[in-house]
Amino acid sequence: DAGITQSPRYKITETGRQVTLMCHQTWSHSYMFWYRQDLGHGLRLIYYSAAADITDKGEVPDGYVVSRSKTENFPLTLESATRSQTSVYFCASSDPRVRTDSGEKLFFGSGTQLSVL
Amino acid sequence: DAKTTQPPSMDCAEGRAANLPCNHSTISGNEYVYWYRQIHSQGPQYIIHGLKNNETNEMASLIITEDRKSSTLILPHATLRDTAVYYCIVRVAASMEGNEKLTFGTGTRLTIIP
Repeated sequence: DAGITQSPRYKITETGRQVTLMCHQTWSHSYMFWYRQDLGHGLRLIYYSAAADITDKGEVPDGYVVSRSKTENFPLTLESATRSQTSVYFCASSDPRVRTDSGEKLFFGSGTQLSVL
Repeated sequence: DAKTTQPPSMDCAEGRAANLPCNHSTISGNEYVYWYRQIHSQGPQYIIHGLKNNETNEMASLIITEDRKSSTLILPHATLRDTAVYYCIVRVAASMEGNEKLTFGTGTRLTIIP
């Protein structure tokens, strides 16, 4: 049961560089999400995807790009990293087709801690 | 999705029941109450959810008031491993056409005291 995995676990980069965070899930869940977590802000949604080739903005999408060419992968790219993007990033997935009494669960990865210097 | 209000922090003695309140006074009829928790540096973990009736699973119980304006998550015999931030979230049920995102607030930081 591999579940949902994120890589790398830790990343240090410099301002202006492009960096890609990877997310892979083995359940064939249709929905995938990217959140960022900063101290005092809880989790904030960056982007989400309902299926392959379908993506949509969340609460804080500026400065990020996503793609979903395959159901199992949902990479998040910071095109030109800024210090304000220093954060912990969580990927999650869910499948509304698999529901018990009409509620779906989100399954989260272990997170990527990104530092932009 | 309706807004939720939770106390920022709570303490509970180990072995006692931990009761975490959540206010969702603007909840609408088709919105569910979800609870997640986040143990330090890990991704959030689903605990339980409900619509109207009280729910119980192996992790916790969820008590929803009759008017559905508030709920309580109960951890019946808290252990040190239950120390975490607990998030109460209200949203409509999933649908293939609907908006699937959950919105997390800042939650309640529960500390279990030995």
